[in-house]
Amino acid sequence: GIQVEQSPPDLILQEGANSTLRCNFSDSVNNLQWFHQNPWGQLINLFYIPSGTKQNGRLSATTVATERYSLLYISSSQTTDSGVYFCAADSNYQLIWGAGTKLIIKP
Amino acid sequence: EAQVTQNPRYLITVTGKKLTVTCSQNMNHEYMSWYRQDPGLGLRQIYYSMNVEVTDKGDVPEGYKVSRKEKRNFPLILESPSPNQTSLYFCASGRGMGYTFGSGTRLTVV
Repeated sequence: GIQVEQSPPDLILQEGANSTLRCNFSDSVNNLQWFHQNPWGQLINLFYIPSGTKQNGRLSATTVATERYSLLYISSSQTTDSGVYFCAADSNYQLIWGAGTKLIIKP
Repeated sequence: EAQVTQNPRYLITVTGKKLTVTCSQNMNHEYMSWYRQDPGLGLRQIYYSMNVEVTDKGDVPEGYKVSRKEKRNFPLILESPSPNQTSLYFCASGRGMGYTFGSGTRLTVV
């Protein structure tokens, strides 16, 4: 089945820094999604991005489907950006999840 | 407001005591699913449902049951819980751009 790998596993940054999170997937997928899990455990849908680039405020995402990777960019980090970022590939009626990148933003 | 409501949020139970985690959505979605999240892993699908009375196994269905008698409700049933089912559980409604997750149920089986 499809494998989804994320890097780095952990990232600690100062407030105001920029970051890039990477997601590699092993096979063609119907779409690729990014989620944020906040410190209270809630999962928030950030991007639905099978290909191309999308932006939403300080966050943007790019998926290059032909090379099987996706990137999530966070600019001017804020403490509220802390949490775990997951990418998930949509395949055969389920989402295949990576293990996540745990992001800590220090004030 | 579009939402997925899961109950309870927290549950501690003993091995073998049947329990049900409820999930309800108000978005008229046909597709609903259940996932579990364990430390160091992403989420893994337990069961999914394409519509009323249509359910199918995900990657980790052992020890779980589901039912879909109405479109809005998709309960997860643990008939004889064991400690290895201690986990954080999420119900999801919709697919693609429409994925919406419940707030999660943290289950501990002792």
